[in-house]
Amino acid sequence: QVQLQESGPRLVKPSETLSLTCSVSGYSIISGYFWGWIRQPPGKGLEWIGSVFHGGTTYYNPSLKSRVTLSIDTSKNQFSLKLSSVTAADTAVYYCARDWYLGPGYSGYFDYWGQGILVPVSS
Amino acid sequence: DIQMTQSPPSLSASVGDRVTITCRASQSISIYLNWYQQKPGKAPKLLIYTASSLHTGVPSRFSGSGSGTDFTLTISSLQPEDFATYYCQQSYSAPPRFGQGTKLEIK
Repeated sequence: QVQLQESGPRLVKPSETLSLTCSVSGYSIISGYFWGWIRQPPGKGLEWIGSVFHGGTTYYNPSLKSRVTLSIDTSKNQFSLKLSSVTAADTAVYYCARDWYLGPGYSGYFDYWGQGILVPVSS
Repeated sequence: DIQMTQSPPSLSASVGDRVTITCRASQSISIYLNWYQQKPGKAPKLLIYTASSLHTGVPSRFSGSGSGTDFTLTISSLQPEDFATYYCQQSYSAPPRFGQGTKLEIK
């Protein structure tokens, strides 16, 4: 059974960098698949942030691309998100998920999700 | 970007009812449409991928259909645990975008 768990600071100040890590168990991320981040502001819908492959290939939401960095640590079976210059608009529950990427020109769907972590942005 | 529009935004139904939720894409996405269920305070769960394929462990009362721009999620006989918010999501192109959600409530 694939399981994902987000971790990181529970509060970030405006203009700082939000950093989260997703730990994967029950599956070796080096075996394949992309691994993604999706966020959900309180009471609102879902927004994909970006996804990363174990080889380092990434694809990002153009609306966030200038502020997002995704990385992967195969030795720890983890992948990470950094979102810079945050504002109150970045307050959200952040989910990590396995991205069943369909190939070049397509995107993917998300078959296993972490429980989510609420990250408020506030001074 | 491809925009996804769900209807209705909310829906009231009773246990045992047959329910249909619609998702429309702003351009053709072939069969690359996925459905998720989300309960309050929980992560979304994949129900259906590529329009009509049932994800592992999802009850057979859930079904999906459609192609091109118009898609439906049908629950054949509502169970108490089905009251939740449902999202569609296109995987035809990047960025993968979700619909705004349909909240299914108990009548």
